[in-house]
Amino acid sequence: TQLLEQSPQFLSIQEGENLTVYCNSSSVFSSLQWYRQEPGEGPVLLVTVVTGGEVKKLKRLTFQFGDARKDSSLHITAAQPGDTGLYLCAGERRDYGGATNKLIFGTGTLLAVQP
Amino acid sequence: DTAVSQTPKYLVTQMGNDKSIKCEQNLGHDTMYWYKQDSKKFLKIMFSYNNKELIINETVPNRFSPKSPDKAHLNLHINSLELGDSAVYFCASSSQSHRSYEQYFGPGTRLTVT
Repeated sequence: TQLLEQSPQFLSIQEGENLTVYCNSSSVFSSLQWYRQEPGEGPVLLVTVVTGGEVKKLKRLTFQFGDARKDSSLHITAAQPGDTGLYLCAGERRDYGGATNKLIFGTGTLLAVQP
Repeated sequence: DTAVSQTPKYLVTQMGNDKSIKCEQNLGHDTMYWYKQDSKKFLKIMFSYNNKELIINETVPNRFSPKSPDKAHLNLHINSLELGDSAVYFCASSSQSHRSYEQYFGPGTRLTVT
């Protein structure tokens, strides 16, 4: 069962364009993280949002956590070829009878920015 | 300095063989994980160890056996490999003392079973 759906699945844009990636779920998460993965590498953490409605900015990237803590979005302004990669959202959820937390990863968005 | 390292980077083997993947982290974290990423890039947790104790064990065939000799190492042994085991396996680590469980990933091991 896919708990975190990302859209779009694929996105190919020209350098300088803006884009938004969505991460949606019917479950509530304690926090939500965004990772970027480049070919042949492991995912690298970009940001963590914790509070419902929270907005965080990382240079040209803006992350938002939904008020109900069930969804999130990533907006990139003036995309550059260096932004190319697989973007993964991940929700933190209490599990195993509350014994531990684990991350549920989204389905991924593959972004290609053409020069 | 490599934070989370895995060996080997690539592993090609035949069905029925037994193989191991090793992982080490030098971040001083107390929790380590194994994830499997399939051909559609979906990343799913397999196991998690906290201070050498198994705390997460998802629905994984018992041919997969993790072993944590100490807090800095988590190895994955796979018996009787099958075609469906072909995937990229990622090791990760985190600190349970942090408010949010941000994870640091290794570079991955691409396993191909022929």
